[in-house]
Amino acid sequence: KQEVTQIPAALSVPEGENLVLNCSFTDSAIYNLQWFRQDPGKGLTSLLLIQSSQREQTSGRLNASLDKSSGRSTLYIAASQPGDSATYLCAGSANFGNEKLTFGTGTRLTIIP
Amino acid sequence: KAGVTQTPRYLIKTRGQQVTLSCSPISGHRSVSWYQQTPGQGLQFLFEYFSETQRNKGNFPGRFSGRQFSNSRSEMNVSTLELGDSALYLCASSLGLANSGANVLTFGAGSRLTVL
Repeated sequence: KQEVTQIPAALSVPEGENLVLNCSFTDSAIYNLQWFRQDPGKGLTSLLLIQSSQREQTSGRLNASLDKSSGRSTLYIAASQPGDSATYLCAGSANFGNEKLTFGTGTRLTIIP
Repeated sequence: KAGVTQTPRYLIKTRGQQVTLSCSPISGHRSVSWYQQTPGQGLQFLFEYFSETQRNKGNFPGRFSGRQFSNSRSEMNVSTLELGDSALYLCASSLGLANSGANVLTFGAGSRLTVL
């Protein structure tokens, strides 16, 4: 059974700093890896999707990498801003179509102005 | 274009009752997935429907069921509610292309269910 862990559970950093969020999974047989953010009381917003054949994806100040052999993914946020404050979740897909996701426990990020 | 719409946003039920939640996907999306989010268990996959057929299923009891209509709108039903069913129920839609790693899920804002 796939288990996805995110450490730390909470993180506070001053505005402007670069930061890395970690995601570990137990079964290297995942297909794809996605990163989402969730704002309080809201649904999830997809940030980056790393497909099975890829190693990383970039979108603006965000960069996500995937290393299946070590069971790890990282989300790098450059030049953090207060608007980046949210809970960040990684999720591995158990099927090729990505509909069945196993989510991590999440990291609650607070950017201090 | 309009996003994924979930109704109702909030509801309160008592133990033993049943509840039906609705999800309208993005236009053109044929896959609808449902997830349960609780503080203790996090986000867990319930099931996925594609073209009116359940295509994937999580590990939830039979009290949790769903269906999808010909316009891709989906409903999920929970019967004989228990206190532990209190959660945020999220649905997500996607194109649902078979064997496509490019399917990106778009989530709705969720339906928050409280069972008293």
